[in-house]
Amino acid sequence: GAGVSQSPSNKVTEKGKDVELRCDPISGHTALYWYRQSLGQGLEFLIYFQGNSAPDKSGLPSDRFSAERTGGSVSTLTIQRTQQEDSAVYLCASSPIYSSGNTIYFGEGSWLTVV
Amino acid sequence: AQSVTQLGSHVSVSEGALVLLRCNYSSSVPPYLFWYVQYPNQGLQLLLKYTTGATLVKGINGFEAEFKKSETSFHLTKPSAHMSDAAEYFCAVSEAGNTPLVFGKGTRLSVIA
Repeated sequence: GAGVSQSPSNKVTEKGKDVELRCDPISGHTALYWYRQSLGQGLEFLIYFQGNSAPDKSGLPSDRFSAERTGGSVSTLTIQRTQQEDSAVYLCASSPIYSSGNTIYFGEGSWLTVV
Repeated sequence: AQSVTQLGSHVSVSEGALVLLRCNYSSSVPPYLFWYVQYPNQGLQLLLKYTTGATLVKGINGFEAEFKKSETSFHLTKPSAHMSDAAEYFCAVSEAGNTPLVFGKGTRLSVIA
């Protein structure tokens, strides 16, 4: 696709419910990243994928958070039993390969509000 | 582990004035340094990056940044601010050896007419 696509763009959910956030990276990009942006906190790294593999899951805030990627393309970030502190913008990004000097390209984010 | 400190969560300048957004990093190995910009209700967009070579890096929209190893800094500048420059700016660092980008907390730039 032309850019990184994320859905939903906005999600309001009740505390305790599960949510799924979807990311469709730029076509041909093998590396995919999830970040969380909270007010005044900058961007917090959550997880990255190289292909379908996620070598480093240490950034996930708790075991309520999980992510998967299938077919080397679309990724889903799942938050179980949502809490109010999960309210944030979840940003997905992709790059041609996973390499430190590469530019990563961001989607517009999924705004999650837990009430 | 690498880290980034952006001095000033909010900077306000007059239209036509110099823009200076400060970024200091911490890294145990030679860093790769980035500046991203986020316009309201949009995703982050790369302004410029330093990987190797010339330490003065020019980016889009007239911005530039200089890597100063001795000062562990990568400050972003623009000679003359424009109203359209109002946005949130993020400095980021990664280390050679494949580490994910680590971002600062951002600096919101306001431009006053």
